[in-house]
Amino acid sequence: GESVGLHLPTLSVQEGDNSIINCAYSNSASDYFIWYKQESGKGPQFIIDIRSNMDKRQGQRVTVLLNKTVKHLSLQIAATQPGDSAVYFCAENSNDYKLSFGAGTTVTVRA
Amino acid sequence: DTAVSQTPKYLVTQMGNDKSIKCEQNLGHDTMYWYKQDSKKFLKIMFSYNNKELIINETVPNRFSPKSPDKAHLNLHINSLELGDSAVYFCASSQEGGGNTEAFFGQGTRLTVV
Repeated sequence: GESVGLHLPTLSVQEGDNSIINCAYSNSASDYFIWYKQESGKGPQFIIDIRSNMDKRQGQRVTVLLNKTVKHLSLQIAATQPGDSAVYFCAENSNDYKLSFGAGTTVTVRA
Repeated sequence: DTAVSQTPKYLVTQMGNDKSIKCEQNLGHDTMYWYKQDSKKFLKIMFSYNNKELIINETVPNRFSPKSPDKAHLNLHINSLELGDSAVYFCASSQEGGGNTEAFFGQGTRLTVV
């Protein structure tokens, strides 16, 4: 499943499929980006980060892609599992002491 | 061992009251933050502190007053609570300013003003 365009508030994906969550950031001077996962009733939890001198970074089942030309960030989750159901946020460093968050995408995994 | 802990987890209070939310981090971080999450899940920074010093005040009404007695604690005091203050408030900390390393978040305090 994929959120089409820059951002959709919800994404429904079949268990086992890959998920792609998209995010547009606003500040061309931002040089550090993070994806967070927030489960119901909990605080945001770090998933993966990327600096502006890279265009791709991989973690365990997750990959972040950065396109600075169009100010676009995406998070790919391989083989999505029920435990991946959550709200996902991208964040950018607007300045040294501030992370600015996107609106969030709610991912629901269908069994 | 909880890295960033905030109390209380839930807070229900009447309009006009004054309340405080406490936050402590045991990560040895220099920078701490308060974020507000509204009903649409939008997360907005309110304050950031570095080594007990206020760095960012994101046009928050002055009814909100953060206090950092030491770099491991950042408490939030709210005067004359209004209905619109109902939200989930998150405390967070990071090793350096949030521009270079990830921020670790507490579990949140759900504030309901009635």
